[in-house]
Amino acid sequence: AQTVTQSQPEMSVQEAETVTLSCTYDTSESDYYLFWYKQPPSRQMILVIRQEAYKQQNATENRFSVNFQKAAKSFSLKISDSQLGDAAMYFCALNLDSSYKLIFGSGTRLLVRP
Amino acid sequence: GAGVSQSPRYKVTKRGQDVALRCDPISGHVSLYWYRQALGQGPEFLTYFNYEAQQDKSGLPNDRFSAERPEGSISTLTIQRTEQRDSAMYRCASSLMSGGTEETQYFGPGTRLLVL
Repeated sequence: AQTVTQSQPEMSVQEAETVTLSCTYDTSESDYYLFWYKQPPSRQMILVIRQEAYKQQNATENRFSVNFQKAAKSFSLKISDSQLGDAAMYFCALNLDSSYKLIFGSGTRLLVRP
Repeated sequence: GAGVSQSPRYKVTKRGQDVALRCDPISGHVSLYWYRQALGQGPEFLTYFNYEAQQDKSGLPNDRFSAERPEGSISTLTIQRTEQRDSAMYRCASSLMSGGTEETQYFGPGTRLLVL
């Protein structure tokens, strides 16, 4: 069975600093996609970044980047120059190429201190 | 519209009543998904449509839950004889197609259901 684990229920970062959110996953398949979604207080579900497992290069989107370690089954999210608007729940998700279901972790709440 | 829309945004109902939750996917998106999210948890898969065909309903918790997408666009998730344990955020997502490079799922704002 596929699982996604986010071991940090809550993280805190000073505004303008950098923070890394951890995610590990388990699957026996080799082709899959990984995502980070942001859920602000409005409870919208916003795509932050995605990574294809076959790509060795880590994905980046402006201040957001990932550290994808396929052998270790690790997919962490780095947020640089943190802003107050980054405060939210962040969910890591796995999507197998053979499937369509997104499998989510339990989330990490990010607090940003002004 | 540009994104996935859902209605109503909030629904309060009494135990035993039926509710219908609507999802309007991004125009042109072939695949549509329903998820349920309990407070403090990640979304959990309920069901999936490819065009109008319901390809997978393995996540529906019991036979009180059903979903349809008759014309391959708007979908309705129906819960019959609601129970308090059905209270949750119900999320709809759509993707251009399932599998491959266009499989990114874009979520709607959700419908928060409260069963009293």
